Amino acid sequence: AQKVTQAQTEISVVEKEDVTLDCVYETRDTTYYLFWYKQPPSGELVFLIRRNSFDEQNEISGRYSWNFQKSTSSFNFTITASQVVDSAVYFCALSEVKTGFQKLVFGTGTRLLVSP
Amino acid sequence: DTAVSQTPKYLVTQMGNDKSIKCEQNLGHDTMYWYKQDSKKFLKIMFSYNNKELIINETVPNRFSPKSPDKAHLNLHINSLELGDSAVYFCASSQSGGGVETQYFGPGTRLLVL
Repeated sequence: AQKVTQAQTEISVVEKEDVTLDCVYETRDTTYYLFWYKQPPSGELVFLIRRNSFDEQNEISGRYSWNFQKSTSSFNFTITASQVVDSAVYFCALSEVKTGFQKLVFGTGTRLLVSP
Repeated sequence: DTAVSQTPKYLVTQMGNDKSIKCEQNLGHDTMYWYKQDSKKFLKIMFSYNNKELIINETVPNRFSPKSPDKAHLNLHINSLELGDSAVYFCASSQSGGGVETQYFGPGTRLLVL
């Protein structure tokens, strides 16, 4: 069965600190996709990134960067120079393809608290 | 423009009642989903529909009945509500294809059963 583990339940940092959110996944599929979503205090789920299993290039988007390593089954997310607005619960997810259609398997989330 | 919308945003009701949640997407996607987020923030898929047909049903109790009148809408009807149904219900949509497409989520419906 597919599984996503986010071992960090909650992280607290002070503004401008860098922070890394860990994500470890398990799958027997050779083709899969990984995602990160952000859930701010307002409650909606905001898509951040999608990465397929054949593309191990790291990605940077502004202050956000992602490190995908198949050798360790990890897809970690780093926020550089964190800001108060980054406070949210962050979910890592793995796509499972059933009969040609996907379903997302989510980790339990990491709550990030950024204080001024 | 709202991509995936849900109504109502909040729903407070008594045990035993029947209630419905509506979802609409204007992204032109052909696949829609319902997820449940419990009090510990754990997100789990409930159902998935592709072009109005049920394709995923994750052993959800029969009291939950999704209905898709067209590919832009996916409603969730819940009969005989129980305390344990209290949760946030998220609708999502994506476009099917050869690969795996991103799912975009609605704002959620916060259901409280008293």
